[in-house]
Amino acid sequence: GAVVSQHPSWVICKSGTSVKIECRSLDFQATTMFWYRQFPKQSLMLMATSNEGSKATYEQGVEKDKFLINHASLTLSTLTVTSAHPEDSSFYICSASPGRVNEQYFGPGTRLTVT
Amino acid sequence: RKEVEQDPGPFNVPEGATVAFNCTYSNSASQSFFWYRQDCRKEPKLLMSVYSSGNEDGRFTAQLNRASQYISLLIRDSKLSDSATYLCAVNIQQAGTALIFGKGTTLSVSS
Repeated sequence: GAVVSQHPSWVICKSGTSVKIECRSLDFQATTMFWYRQFPKQSLMLMATSNEGSKATYEQGVEKDKFLINHASLTLSTLTVTSAHPEDSSFYICSASPGRVNEQYFGPGTRLTVT
Repeated sequence: RKEVEQDPGPFNVPEGATVAFNCTYSNSASQSFFWYRQDCRKEPKLLMSVYSSGNEDGRFTAQLNRASQYISLLIRDSKLSDSATYLCAVNIQQAGTALIFGKGTTLSVSS
């Protein structure tokens, strides 16, 4: 149990385009989903926390207008990188929580390359 | 100061060696502590939770020192397959709050 999927697993796009990444909890309802970003040899940095049906809470320094997060259902959250730039190239990982303390399950990540 | 700091690494050890990783956290409200393992280009996978009294899982032993805000992971009898990056993570133990990760320490075990 507790499986989280992400799609796509990798994507290459041109500068200026937008990319949508989906995160799904496959066998549980995720009241909260988290989006992290990881640059090479760096830690997972929390970008935002989203609760189903409400606006995401972004971490300091993360542009909410650039990284659009939608958590429209209890099993799906999406992250859209708008007007992507090469510096947005990174590994984006979501995690989902059923709302119980200390339960957080990670998706396999999406590797974004912006050319 | 970063919320979670780890030994810089990398650690290069021979098979069979014992290696220890350290991690400090700055938020005294932190209540839950974990060690994750991350392989190259993969998501982190939970290795073990860290309990106040310390805990062991096979060759892995985790310790917590709340007074010093310090967590450790000891790996005994290192295997080639232990080569990975080890991330410590903390949480303030409220539902809906995210794990905060350290930068990770890379371990390379060689034959």
